[in-house]
Amino acid sequence: DIQMTQSPSSLSASVGDRVTITCRARQSISSYLNWYQQKQGKAPKLLIYAASSLQSGVPSRFSGSGSGTDFTLTISSLQPEDFATYYCQQSYSTPRTFGQGTKVEIK
Amino acid sequence: QVQLQESGPGLVKPSETLSLTCNVSGGSISGYYWSWIRQPAGKGLEWIGRIYTSGNTNYNPSLKSRVTMSVDTSKNQFSLKMSFVTAADTAVYYCARDVEDSSRSFDPWGQGTLVTVSS
Repeated sequence: DIQMTQSPSSLSASVGDRVTITCRARQSISSYLNWYQQKQGKAPKLLIYAASSLQSGVPSRFSGSGSGTDFTLTISSLQPEDFATYYCQQSYSTPRTFGQGTKVEIK
Repeated sequence: QVQLQESGPGLVKPSETLSLTCNVSGGSISGYYWSWIRQPAGKGLEWIGRIYTSGNTNYNPSLKSRVTMSVDTSKNQFSLKMSFVTAADTAVYYCARDVEDSSRSFDPWGQGTLVTVSS
C-alpha cells in the first residue's frame, strides 16, 4: 500500500488568508494525486485531480501542484465556505489510499 | 448529472453480514468502475474496493477476505457485502464513481449511510 501523509493535521486561519496543505507519498506516484473537501456531515467533494487540474465548478482560488512524492493544495484567499477537512488521495495503484486529512478551522 | 444513493440496514449484529446497495441515477452504470469507501466517526477515509460493470473487482487486501461486490446493470446498481462484521466496521459507507480516465478520481459520491455494528 502507498502511505499518504498530510501536514499539518489541522490549522487555524482567517478569511482572506492564503492556506497551503502538503501531502507526501511514501513512493513516487507521478501525478496521480487528487484532493477532496469534506464538510461536516457531508460526503467528500472532488476539488483537484491529477495533481493540478481543477474540477469543473470548483472556484479558481483552489490550486494544486506537485509530482512524484510531494504535493500541495493552496487556497489563495480563504473564504467562509472553505472551512472544512481536506484529504489527498493517490490513484497510482490499488489499494487507493488517502491522507489522514487536514482540518481547516476559523481563527 | 449522475447521482448515487446508498441503501441498506443501519444496524448489523456482530459476526453477521453487512449488505449495502448503491443506486445510480442520471446516467448509465456501464463503462465505469464503482467504489465503496468508508469513514469511521471522526476518522479518515478507507477505500474498500471497486467493481467494473463487467464484474471485475479490486479489493483492499486488508478487507479482501470478507468483502464481495456485485453489479446489476439492468437495475443500474451495485452492491457490497461484508461478512463477519465487528464493531470496528461501524462507519459511514459511501459509494462513488471511480473514474478511470486521466483523472482517476472518485466523482461523484453518494451522501453516505451510517452502519452500526452492535448487538
